[in-house]
Amino acid sequence: AQSVTQLDSHVSVSEGTPVLLRCNYSSSYSPSLFWYVQHPNKGLQLLLKYTSAATLVKGINGFEAEFKKSETSFHLTKPSAHMSDAAEYFCVVSENVYTGNQFYFGTGTSLTVIP
Amino acid sequence: GAGVSQSPRYKVAKRGQDVALRCDPISGHVSLFWYQQALGQGPEFLTYFQNEAQLDKSGLPSDRFFAERPEGSVSTLKIQRTQQEDSAVYLCASSLEDYPPYEQFFGPGTRLTVL
Repeated sequence: AQSVTQLDSHVSVSEGTPVLLRCNYSSSYSPSLFWYVQHPNKGLQLLLKYTSAATLVKGINGFEAEFKKSETSFHLTKPSAHMSDAAEYFCVVSENVYTGNQFYFGTGTSLTVIP
Repeated sequence: GAGVSQSPRYKVAKRGQDVALRCDPISGHVSLFWYQQALGQGPEFLTYFQNEAQLDKSGLPSDRFFAERPEGSVSTLKIQRTQQEDSAVYLCASSLEDYPPYEQFFGPGTRLTVL
């Protein structure tokens, strides 16, 4: 069975300070993990994905995430927050099996960036 | 380039009415997914198509929900005899891959309100 837990429903940071959005997952098989961002009234946009290659994954807009199997975590980070980063972020897990066509979303983390 | 489009963007229905929601995937994308996103929640999987074949409909909440993709391109999600609990944003995503892990591209969604 698969599931995703986003540990914080809301995160507030000051502009220019680091961002950390936490995600833990459970999966019966080798998982693929994704982070998506959702800006108001816009579609979900892929930030980055892990698919069993390098454990440190770099994405768009300066975001990166590290896959830690021992901790079953896939936390999203960015060194310096920008006002435009304010949005809802979703951690997603999918299993790498032929029948693994389901994406399991976390409940989301709302990021606020304070000027 | 053109992304995934959905129509209508907003739909208000009276309880008991039937509705049809349309998804135009990215041209050439084999896989198509439907999700339901309730207010304040992450998207939840409804159904998956590979070309015109509906390979997984395990997430459809009841037999009032029906999806089709007759020519392997445009897809329609139909909800019969709408209920208030059907109020949500319905998201469509498409992917070039026909095997996991799928990189999904999401449309802006259709916000359905059932009165």
